[in-house]
Amino acid sequence: SQQGEEDPQALSIQEGENATMNCSYKTSINNLQWYRQNSGRGLVHLILIRSNEREKHSGRLRVTLDTSKKSSSLLITASRAADTASYFCATLDTGGFKTIFGAGTRLFVKA
Amino acid sequence: KAGVTQTPRYLIKTRGQQVTLSCSPISGHRSVSWYQQTPGQGLQFLFEYFSETQRNKGNFPGRFSGRQFSNSRSEMNVSTLELGDSALYLCASSSERGAVTGELFFGEGSRLTVL
Repeated sequence: SQQGEEDPQALSIQEGENATMNCSYKTSINNLQWYRQNSGRGLVHLILIRSNEREKHSGRLRVTLDTSKKSSSLLITASRAADTASYFCATLDTGGFKTIFGAGTRLFVKA
Repeated sequence: KAGVTQTPRYLIKTRGQQVTLSCSPISGHRSVSWYQQTPGQGLQFLFEYFSETQRNKGNFPGRFSGRQFSNSRSEMNVSTLELGDSALYLCASSSERGAVTGELFFGEGSRLTVL
């Protein structure tokens, strides 16, 4: 089974609104990452948050991590139509050399 | 710096045939990972190679194989294709540090359709 599970599965918002996606994982981690995928394309790495960090910002992205709840959230502020994509959280398998992805959240931003 | 290059981008095969997909990593990256992406199963890890050695393998049948060459380029092969093998196959490369943190750089994928 996948390490990370995103919630919601799909999200539709208006341009300018904020979008929040959540991710839960099962085992202890050293870090957690978020990726973005435009339809049918490759994934793009967005941000990495380490297990000793609680919050991290990058431009309009804000990521939080709660290791006690084994969960993370990705907030996209002031969303744009170009943010329409699928977003995945990912963690490194405890055995190493294997990044495991959640099922993803499909975000649709209406202009 | 050129990104990860995957070829071919699209291909159509029939059941029972075999297919070979190619991946050229970012220059200097020695780790290459392969993933299968389908609507039903999401992103599934196939295998990871570093310096021509497979370090990890996902839960796929033996029909799925891969290899890495001395220049870090990688290929994956699927033999005796089944309809369920239709998917987007993604290759990702990472630096040595990235292989430990899980930070991957993806190619655009090879979309395989099996008829």
